[in-house]
Amino acid sequence: GAGVSQSPSNKVTEKGKDVELRCDPISGHTALYWYRQSLGQGLEFLIYFQGNSAPDKSGLPSDRFSAERTGGSVSTLTIQRTQQEDSAVYLCASSPWVLYEQYFGPGTRLTVT
Amino acid sequence: DQQVKQNSPSLSVQEGRISILNCDYTNSMFDYFLWYKKYPAEGPTFLISISSIKDKNEDGRFTVFLNKSAKHLSLHIVPSQPGDSAVYFCAASAVGGANNLFFGTGTRLTVIP
Repeated sequence: GAGVSQSPSNKVTEKGKDVELRCDPISGHTALYWYRQSLGQGLEFLIYFQGNSAPDKSGLPSDRFSAERTGGSVSTLTIQRTQQEDSAVYLCASSPWVLYEQYFGPGTRLTVT
Repeated sequence: DQQVKQNSPSLSVQEGRISILNCDYTNSMFDYFLWYKKYPAEGPTFLISISSIKDKNEDGRFTVFLNKSAKHLSLHIVPSQPGDSAVYFCAASAVGGANNLFFGTGTRLTVIP
């Protein structure tokens, strides 16, 4: 079956603009995660959705970052007023109820100029 | 504060020899550990995991060793193959803790034919 998909694969934006990144998880997976990987860094947790529960937003670096998950499936990560330090690869992952085996999408490479 | 550390950014190994990738962690509450493999332009893929109740888990050519007292784990690949060339991430989590994985910064493995 289809894996996790993300769009766009690459996004170049000007500083100060808003961007939206999309994630389509594996069908039936109830948990969805957003991570980002900055140059030379490990994967940094951003936000976690599990079913209809309130999301765990503890990893969001600032209030410019927000995410939604509609209908328990597709998720959108929004970054408002982008800054150059937001440049990174943004990865989405989903998993069935079991937390640990997360399946990752290919990522969106965001470049803020 | 990096709770999971991979101190070797890169490793080169001759085909057929053993590859040993190391990972250290600081949080004694971590009780589940995973290794992910990442090829360029793809998301990480789950490779192997180990629970803190074990000190070794083996899956084909891949073996993960856990030393809880030293807060250290390692991934052994034997024999190494050119297709194993990728970036390997160590990750950790705590049951009942945060709903996310803490990742290391990765080690780039190059297997030389």
